[in-house]
Amino acid sequence: DAKTTQPTSMDCAEGRAANLPCNHSTISGNEYVYWYRQIHSQGPQYIIHGLKNNETNEMASLIITEDRKSSTLILPHATLRDTAVYYCIVRVARGKLTFGQGTILTVHP
Amino acid sequence: EPEVTQTPSHQVTQMGQEVILRCVPISNHLYFYWYRQILGQKVEFLVSFYNNEISEKSEIFDDQFSVERPDGSNFTLKIRSTKLEDSAMYFCASMMDTQYFGPGTRLTVL
Repeated sequence: DAKTTQPTSMDCAEGRAANLPCNHSTISGNEYVYWYRQIHSQGPQYIIHGLKNNETNEMASLIITEDRKSSTLILPHATLRDTAVYYCIVRVARGKLTFGQGTILTVHP
Repeated sequence: EPEVTQTPSHQVTQMGQEVILRCVPISNHLYFYWYRQILGQKVEFLVSFYNNEISEKSEIFDDQFSVERPDGSNFTLKIRSTKLEDSAMYFCASMMDTQYFGPGTRLTVL
């Protein structure tokens, strides 16, 4: 699986958009970009995934660059409950997930 | 909304004892996984299971570990002789196209 690079930590004000970047410059054509988050020691929570098109669901938007070497997860109106570790993972369909250290997002009032 | 469940939420055991961690995957899912997370560390893949057999396992998943799907609904992880370093959160996940995780079992080995 391709390696990803994420900032160690980010801050965001409540109500503002949180934009979390991820670099995956060695991604292969058949690898998807997945985003999960983990709040405290709870089980990782699926957020969104994409192959090459931008995606949006009720939780977030995923913007993937045209060359697929990087992506951005957007939480449009962050709340205090969005404080978590966010993981960007690339993998082939049905493959295992390889977690890195992720980005610690802190949403403050 | 269907979800993955795990029991127990917390298991305390003595070193050398056997433990079985249980998971009920989402009912129509076909792929099953176990991961673990030692306190303060990354989530690590242990094993994947499909069509009643292991499809992939990590170096961590040695002969002390085993998995089975005994009755078509439960998915279990057995650790035969626990060690202190097995203390961790253990997460089960199931998948049709996307992996969904359970809440985890905290295993404490004394």
